[in-house]
Amino acid sequence: AAGVIQSPRHLIKEKRETATLKCYPIPRHDTVYWYQQGPGQDPQFLISFYEKMQSDKGSIPDRFSAQQFSDYHSELNMSSLELGDSALYFCASSLTSGRAAFKNIQYFGAGTRLSVL
Amino acid sequence: AQKITQTQPGMFVQEKEAVTLDCTYDTSDPSYGLFWYKQPSSGEMIFLIYQGSYDQQNATEGRYSLNFQKARKSANLVISASQLGDSAMYFCAMRDFGNEKLTFGTGTRLTIIP
Repeated sequence: AAGVIQSPRHLIKEKRETATLKCYPIPRHDTVYWYQQGPGQDPQFLISFYEKMQSDKGSIPDRFSAQQFSDYHSELNMSSLELGDSALYFCASSLTSGRAAFKNIQYFGAGTRLSVL
Repeated sequence: AQKITQTQPGMFVQEKEAVTLDCTYDTSDPSYGLFWYKQPSSGEMIFLIYQGSYDQQNATEGRYSLNFQKARKSANLVISASQLGDSAMYFCAMRDFGNEKLTFGTGTRLTIIP
């Protein structure tokens, strides 16, 4: 079965540079979520999109922005990178339509490991 | 606000034994979902099992079962007949009616000993 695809898998950037992370959800899934997992920590929710509209927002820095495109893939854009942005970034997707939100299972991609030097 | 507590930072279990990973939660919403995810050392986050707040029976998925005690607000994961490949970090998470996001616990690192 097709899974969530994230690219790139690894990314190394310098401070103050920009980065773009891409996410391709499971086919027919309509909701995409982004999470950040710092070293030794649990994942923290950043932002989500349902049918290309932002549906919820967590602790996402103003330096970050995201969007979902017409083909449902999503991109997380990160600017003015800081050392503290070094983390594993997950994208997850779910099929939301017609179901109570709390029942929706979020399937995660393998993550993008971002290192800021 | 929803909160997940996992009190076992690490566990060591002999291969083929059963293991229970503890998870307690707190929410004021009567509608919520509880999830367990496995994160191997390679880093990916793998969905294991789901339990809804209105589900009458405990969820089971192969060797995984969820011991759901609603009155005690606990959702423990039980892995039967543990295997070496079960060594990983395990996260309990929840999502209530008003939220898109999953809230995770701090995780339990499970190590299976041959």
